Amino acid sequence: IAGITQAPTSQILAAGRRMTLRCTQDMRHNAMYWYRQDLGLGLRLIHYSNTAGTTGKGEVPDGYSVSRANTDDFPLTLASAVPSQTSVYFCASSDIAGRPNYGYTFGSGTRLTVV
Amino acid sequence: GENVEQHPSTLSVQEGDSAVIKCTYSDSASNYFPWYKQELGKRPQLIIDIRSNVGEKKDQRIAVTLNKTAKHFSLHITETQPEDSAVYFCAASRGVTSYDKVIFGPGTSLSVIP
Repeated sequence: IAGITQAPTSQILAAGRRMTLRCTQDMRHNAMYWYRQDLGLGLRLIHYSNTAGTTGKGEVPDGYSVSRANTDDFPLTLASAVPSQTSVYFCASSDIAGRPNYGYTFGSGTRLTVV
Repeated sequence: GENVEQHPSTLSVQEGDSAVIKCTYSDSASNYFPWYKQELGKRPQLIIDIRSNVGEKKDQRIAVTLNKTAKHFSLHITETQPEDSAVYFCAASRGVTSYDKVIFGPGTSLSVIP
């Protein structure tokens, strides 16, 4: 089934631990994004990637890193988790770069709790 | 950078009534304005979008209007139904290509009362 797969679905993580959230898409979309969703703040962009091999910082990049080794995968890493990173994380992708924006396809989200 | 504001934060309407959600944006270069619906516990999904070369767009019971001079745009839902209950996010982007990132508003929680 075409779409975006995120893993894990949820996770409780001790503060100070390292964690990688996985995101895989099979639509051959060039652009991919990581957002965090917090009540009252909407969806805030953490990092993005326009094409494989390139990444960029979004609105709230501190404490997070990403890589884009190929078109399909876009993992998000928390090097040393802190409680303020408790959130729901959504991965998204969009259609072929260079074409008019046709909106995002979102993954099902990862609920992360840092204690 | 772009800043998107959205009002109201919560909205309750009787089934069959209309619902209106309003958004403003700050970047005059923005020209792509999508709306997403997020049902409880689910992922956001694109429901309608509008580009700066049109002032209004309709799709069945939903419509969006855009006023570029005032830098605001609105979502209108007519004949609301219980399944319209969700959080709605407006967003703005320069939108020329998928390189142009989308900035979201904080969301409006819509409740349709049967």
